[in-house]
Amino acid sequence: DAGITQSPRHKVTETGTPVTLRCHQTENHRYMYWYRQDPGHGLRLIHYSYGVKDTDKGEVSDGYSVSRSKTEDFLLTLESATSSQTSVYFCAIRDSGTGPYEQYFGPGTRLTVT
Amino acid sequence: AQSVTQLGSHVSVSEGALVLLRCNYSSSVPPYLFWYVQYPNQGLQLLLKYTSAATLVKGINGFEAEFKKSETSFHLTKPSAHMSDAAEYFCAVSVGTGRRALTFGSGTRLQVQP
Repeated sequence: DAGITQSPRHKVTETGTPVTLRCHQTENHRYMYWYRQDPGHGLRLIHYSYGVKDTDKGEVSDGYSVSRSKTEDFLLTLESATSSQTSVYFCAIRDSGTGPYEQYFGPGTRLTVT
Repeated sequence: AQSVTQLGSHVSVSEGALVLLRCNYSSSVPPYLFWYVQYPNQGLQLLLKYTSAATLVKGINGFEAEFKKSETSFHLTKPSAHMSDAAEYFCAVSVGTGRRALTFGSGTRLQVQP
């Protein structure tokens, strides 16, 4: 298994509070991604990173921010959590290059916003 | 922009029967295509990938998929279902350069009846 961990694995928080999810990899891969999984939608890209301090938005980035200060860590922050952000969040990593390198996924974080 | 359509959100088969999970994609350039499997409360695991080297791709656990450009399809099959195949399956596409993020279908939940 790829060395990807996510923390916390489960979190319940109240509307309006800030939340930070952490993704940690031991593979030294350049690319890191945050997706959210919701029933009927598959996984949708929130943000991604293509290097330290290099990040960009995905299709569902509103209400989320990210940071990557080290190769191994990619943080996802919900500045002010809303009920619509209740979801399962997955981190993924991919090696660099132009080939069809597959992405490897972490175990996920289940977030409930009450 | 690329997209993926998975026909059938739920598929039920008997143990030993053929498994067929459908995936159609839309892309203006040659795509890379993937099938992932997700077991309950786990992350996504790569089953197989299409990289243009061969149209028939064999993956893990006895699964295979055939790329048909004329039909823009990449259906997943397994000759004989096993109880352990019960899971959710996602088709995904990746195109272009740069971020190489995956665009996922909405998923198909496979149920295997004894």
